[in-house]
Amino acid sequence: NAGVTQTPKFRVLKTGQSMTLLCAQDMNHEYMYWYRQDPGMGLRLIHYSVGEGTTAKGEVPDGYNVSRLKKQNFLLGLESAAPSQTSVYFCASSYGTASGNTIYFGEGSWLTVV
Amino acid sequence: AQSVTQLGSHVSVSEGALVLLRCNYSSSVPPYLFWYVQYPNQGLQLLLKYTTGATLVKGINGFEAEFKKSETSFHLTKPSAHMSDAAEYFCAVSPYNFNKFYFGSGTKLNVKP
Repeated sequence: NAGVTQTPKFRVLKTGQSMTLLCAQDMNHEYMYWYRQDPGMGLRLIHYSVGEGTTAKGEVPDGYNVSRLKKQNFLLGLESAAPSQTSVYFCASSYGTASGNTIYFGEGSWLTVV
Repeated sequence: AQSVTQLGSHVSVSEGALVLLRCNYSSSVPPYLFWYVQYPNQGLQLLLKYTTGATLVKGINGFEAEFKKSETSFHLTKPSAHMSDAAEYFCAVSPYNFNKFYFGSGTKLNVKP
């Protein structure tokens, strides 16, 4: 009963390094999302995807790139990490129908940029 | 654009007391409404949601919320707090026909023995 799985769970990066966060869902959801969570700011949408091969910008997309080559996977990339990207990252997914869909979250990835 | 306001970033109640967490949204059309709970070092879990129909929605762990269109509110309540309710709670909205979710900034609930 995996649901939404994120890897890695913890990572420390040096400024300027690159990395990719992987999200996988086994619920056949059309929509996938990447959020970041910072104290006092709730969750902010970075990028999202409404289907395989499509991506779109959210509220805070700068410094991040994403890809959705397979329906079940949604990758978040940091090309040149900055300390401001220290955060907890959550992947989520939902069905692509307009019926008050529930969004399901992964357990989070803690990223520290030093 | 949608916005979600949660009044009070921290709420503290005694065990057995009423829990009331406030959520107001701004939208020209009533959206779908959700409450999520986050326990330390975990992802968010759905507590309850309102889509259509009865405006009083019951969720897990004894929580419920009432959609009030005239007040654009969706406050979360629980009659009697338990120590295990200590967590952070997020209100979220999703417009009709558009799978984008907007989250409030969260309310941390502390339950005192």
